[in-house]
Amino acid sequence: GEDVEQSLFLSVREGDSSVINCTYTDSSSTYLYWYKQEPGAGLQLLTYIFSNMDMKQDQRLTVLLNKKDKHLSLRIADTQTGDSAIYFCAEGAAMFSGGYNKLIFGAGTRLAVHP
Amino acid sequence: EAEVAQSPRYKITEKSQAVAFWCDPISGHATLYWYRQILGQGPELLVQFQDESVVDDSQLPKDRFSAERLKGVDSTLKIQPAELGDSAMYLCASSSLGLGEQFFGPGTRLTVL
Repeated sequence: GEDVEQSLFLSVREGDSSVINCTYTDSSSTYLYWYKQEPGAGLQLLTYIFSNMDMKQDQRLTVLLNKKDKHLSLRIADTQTGDSAIYFCAEGAAMFSGGYNKLIFGAGTRLAVHP
Repeated sequence: EAEVAQSPRYKITEKSQAVAFWCDPISGHATLYWYRQILGQGPELLVQFQDESVVDDSQLPKDRFSAERLKGVDSTLKIQPAELGDSAMYLCASSSLGLGEQFFGPGTRLTVL
């Protein structure tokens, strides 16, 4: 079945780069996503990558996809205290009936940024 | 900026009681999702609507959970009777296309005592 795994915790110093890793199992996933969740709030889409791409850069965010190893990573450059949150990796498992996008989420990586 | 609205934000109830959560998606979004997020875990899809029709409710515990979207706009998720294991954050999301970006609401945090 589908499964998404992430490390649970990452601590970085302010100004350093953060790298959050994720592995997934469904090779038919069309899109892979990174969401951010701040305390008590819903999820905010940060970025996504189409499965036929290797890399996507969006300002301070860089997503790398290794489709052979089913490995996804999110790099945050110049990490700030405001980046402290839980980051969720998700794979889009397109349903055969209607092609609707069912997202499978990992358990989330808690990023702590310290001075 | 358009947002997904949910109410209430917090709900405390006793087991065996009935609870209901409401979601108003972004205007014009045809697809609506209800997720359950247990503390320390990622969200899990409970039910997905396309307009007023259910397209996926395979993970919805149908003996106690029900969801409706009668006019294809706002939606209600009900639990009756609530059990201790139902304590979680219930998130609503909407998207404009079946494969489009999902926008999440702030969630309803349910505590069952």
